[in-house]
Amino acid sequence: AQSVAQPEDQVNVAEGNPLTVKCTYSVSGNPYLFWYVQYPNRGLQFLLKYITGDNLVKGSYGFEAEFNKSQTSFHLKKPSALVSDSALYFCAVSALSSGSARQLTFGSGTQLTVLP
Amino acid sequence: NAGVMQNPRHLVRRRGQEARLRCSPMKGHSHVYWYRQLPEEGLKFMVYLQKENIIDESGMPKERFSAEFPKEGPSILRIQQVVRGDSAAYFCASSPQSTGKSNQPQHFGDGTRLSIL
Repeated sequence: AQSVAQPEDQVNVAEGNPLTVKCTYSVSGNPYLFWYVQYPNRGLQFLLKYITGDNLVKGSYGFEAEFNKSQTSFHLKKPSALVSDSALYFCAVSALSSGSARQLTFGSGTQLTVLP
Repeated sequence: NAGVMQNPRHLVRRRGQEARLRCSPMKGHSHVYWYRQLPEEGLKFMVYLQKENIIDESGMPKERFSAEFPKEGPSILRIQQVVRGDSAAYFCASSPQSTGKSNQPQHFGDGTRLSIL
């Protein structure tokens, strides 16, 4: 069975400071890893994904994430946080389920608050 | 340039009634996924459909819940005889191919918030 852990329910950071939102995963085989962001009363917006290749993945809005196979982690990072980055962030992993389908398994989410 | 469209955005039902949630995938997408989000929790996979076929329903409750994606029209998630515990946000996502084949991310709608009185 596949699983995702986001150990921090809440992350607070000052505007302009670097931010990190942590994610670890457990999956059989090679993982496909995703980060999504959710604003209030909205659906999830795709930020970035890791499928294969470079361990450092760059995505939307200046976000990036580093795949670390030995630590089974995929932490989300941004060098300089903006107040508008405040939202709920979800890490997700995908692996084979039935047939060739790959269902997404989400973490419980991390609420990021960027303080002005 | 419409994304995934879900309606209604909010749905209120009394216990015992039926709830029907609709999802129109992005143009060109033939794969639809339904997820449920309970308060303070992440999204839980429910079902994955292609046109006229249910591919994976491993996350669907065994009773009262059903889903379809007909040849014409939107995908429908149907909940019969709703109970208080069905109150949640239900999200639909679509992709052009299976995420197993194309590695394409799933694109999400804004969800339907279902409240059971």
